[in-house]
Amino acid sequence: DGGITQSPKYLFRKEGQNVTLSCEQNLNHDAMYWYRQDPGQGLRLIYYSQIVNDFQKGDIAEGYSVSREKKESFPLTVTSAQKNPTAFYLCASSRSVYNEQFFGPGTRLTVL
Amino acid sequence: KNEVEQSPQNLTAQEGEFITINCSYSVGISALHWLQQHPGGGIVSLFMLSSGKKKHGRLIATINIQEKHSSLHITASHPRDSAVYICAGDYGGATNKLIFGTGTLLAVQP
Repeated sequence: DGGITQSPKYLFRKEGQNVTLSCEQNLNHDAMYWYRQDPGQGLRLIYYSQIVNDFQKGDIAEGYSVSREKKESFPLTVTSAQKNPTAFYLCASSRSVYNEQFFGPGTRLTVL
Repeated sequence: KNEVEQSPQNLTAQEGEFITINCSYSVGISALHWLQQHPGGGIVSLFMLSSGKKKHGRLIATINIQEKHSSLHITASHPRDSAVYICAGDYGGATNKLIFGTGTLLAVQP
């Protein structure tokens, strides 16, 4: 089945540790996105990538880093510089930046 | 102030009722998305529309570009429709940037 997978579904980390969230898609989409969702707020864009080996900061990129070495993969690293990392993280992809986005199931990160 | 506003924030309905969720946006967009988020967190895209009306099963989405307003309707609601419904304004262009509303939590009771 074609789709977007994120793993793990739940992730716990100690404060001060970096953690990497996985996002994989087999839809052959060029564009990929990372969003953060907090209670009572709309999703906010962290980073996006229009094509492999390229990525751009979104609205709340501070404390995060990404890479796009392969078309299918867009991992997000939450660094210790991120002040409030506990949140629900959603990955999305689209055929191009001009097409509809499809979302993954999300990863809930809790930093203890 | 969020550029995309939804109402109501919470909605409880009885099974079979006709449901309307509203979305207003303050700036020009190229399209408006309606998304459904289930309790597990995964998001499903329901509609993307830039004018007029779209229908899929019991779901209907309308948009009025002049009034900067969109509505999502659910006919003959069912408990399985219980979810968070999110609208998002699409600014298109080179970033495909979406501005999301905060969502409407719908609970349909049997």
